[in-house]
Amino acid sequence: RKEVEQDPGPFNVPEGATVAFNCTYSNSASQSFFWYRQDCRKEPKLLMSVYSSGNEDGRFTAQLNRASQYISLLIRDSKLSDSATYLCVVNGAPNFNKFYFGSGTKLNVKP
Amino acid sequence: NAGVTQTPKFRILKIGQSMTLQCTQDMNHNYMYWYRQDPGMGLKLIYYSVGAGITDKGEVPNGYNVSRSTTEDFPLRLELAAPSQTSVYFCASILQGANTEAFFGQGTRLTVV
Repeated sequence: RKEVEQDPGPFNVPEGATVAFNCTYSNSASQSFFWYRQDCRKEPKLLMSVYSSGNEDGRFTAQLNRASQYISLLIRDSKLSDSATYLCVVNGAPNFNKFYFGSGTKLNVKP
Repeated sequence: NAGVTQTPKFRILKIGQSMTLQCTQDMNHNYMYWYRQDPGMGLKLIYYSVGAGITDKGEVPNGYNVSRSTTEDFPLRLELAAPSQTSVYFCASILQGANTEAFFGQGTRLTVV
């Protein structure tokens, strides 16, 4: 079983739409969770960390559900510039120094 | 502040050749990582290091070697290149292990023919 699994998409949405991505992880002992954004042919960059209580950064909201072992990312009022691939990242356990990436969910925001 | 620098950006290798992908960071980060990304896929961990002199295998270490003689440098060595190693390679560094941002280099696009 993969450490981290994501729906590859693509998600094609109009500007202004709300879109949500989910990501499941296999190791219940994982402690750190992140969403990264990757533009085409570029390196990944941190979008936001995911905290147990959930967290929000502007139009972006991340949530963690430990019981069901998934994390989510909600994007409100989508912009054209949000078009990218969103990577879910989870650290390993018991070796917390390893970070595992999902295969990414592609988002296309259309005018 | 350069962050994480990878060289070269592009390389074409013939089957059986060897090469070293260079990675340097100037942020004094303890942890460094090498990932590969195949087309349409996520990143797979090859090797990582938690400090100078310490390295460990990731998910896909076969065909690669690493060393970490200094905090700044974490080169990845490919011996006997194979077409299956055609990929984009990313180096990343983290100040400490958990809940901190990973900074990535711009990647090395390697083609083995």
